[in-house]
Amino acid sequence: KAGVTQTPRYLIKTRGQQVTLSCSPISGHRSVSWYQQTPGQGLQFLFEYFSETQRNKGNFPGRFSGRQFSNSRSEMNVSTLELGDSALYLCASSLMSGSETQYFGPGTRLLVL
Amino acid sequence: AQSVAQPEDQVNVAEGNPLTVKCTYSVSGNPYLFWYVQYPNRGLQFLLKYITGDNLVKGSYGFEAEFNKSQTSFHLKKPSALVSDSALYFCAVRERGTRQLTFGSGTQLTVLP
Repeated sequence: KAGVTQTPRYLIKTRGQQVTLSCSPISGHRSVSWYQQTPGQGLQFLFEYFSETQRNKGNFPGRFSGRQFSNSRSEMNVSTLELGDSALYLCASSLMSGSETQYFGPGTRLLVL
Repeated sequence: AQSVAQPEDQVNVAEGNPLTVKCTYSVSGNPYLFWYVQYPNRGLQFLLKYITGDNLVKGSYGFEAEFNKSQTSFHLKKPSALVSDSALYFCAVRERGTRQLTFGSGTQLTVLP
């Protein structure tokens, strides 16, 4: 089976812009979670989607949003980008919501200038 | 709230020697525990998990971990380290009944030839 794929792999944006990242889960997986990884804060949970519904949300401002489509693919959007949003954004998929193991994609590295 | 501590930012070990990467956790009730590894510019790769049962869990690439409930620890071990094991290792916990995975700060393992 193909693994989790994320596009694009790299992005450069400027402050104030918005960005959309995409994640395709492993075939058959219905849950998608998003994480932000930075050197200072480490890995932080953003949100989880299952059956096109947000099931859980981390402690991030409303500028961070997401959605999931009927084929389980997910997108996350960050509006009004700030320098501190520069990070590696990781997507993880699992069979069901709350399933034990999450499998991660390679990430999208976002640089905000 | 659930939390994970990885007390060592850096662990150095000589090739062929045993390695240990430490992890302690705090949750209410019984946890799900995980180890992931991250290579440079890559996403996280799943190594192993503890759900229930035998306290010694065997995973990928010869790694194993021991769940110790009394010490709330889940240390990662390998009997004989390889240079190719050099990477960033993350311990993670999920409290049963929740959907959120909480990660430790990571431990950089360097295996010296």
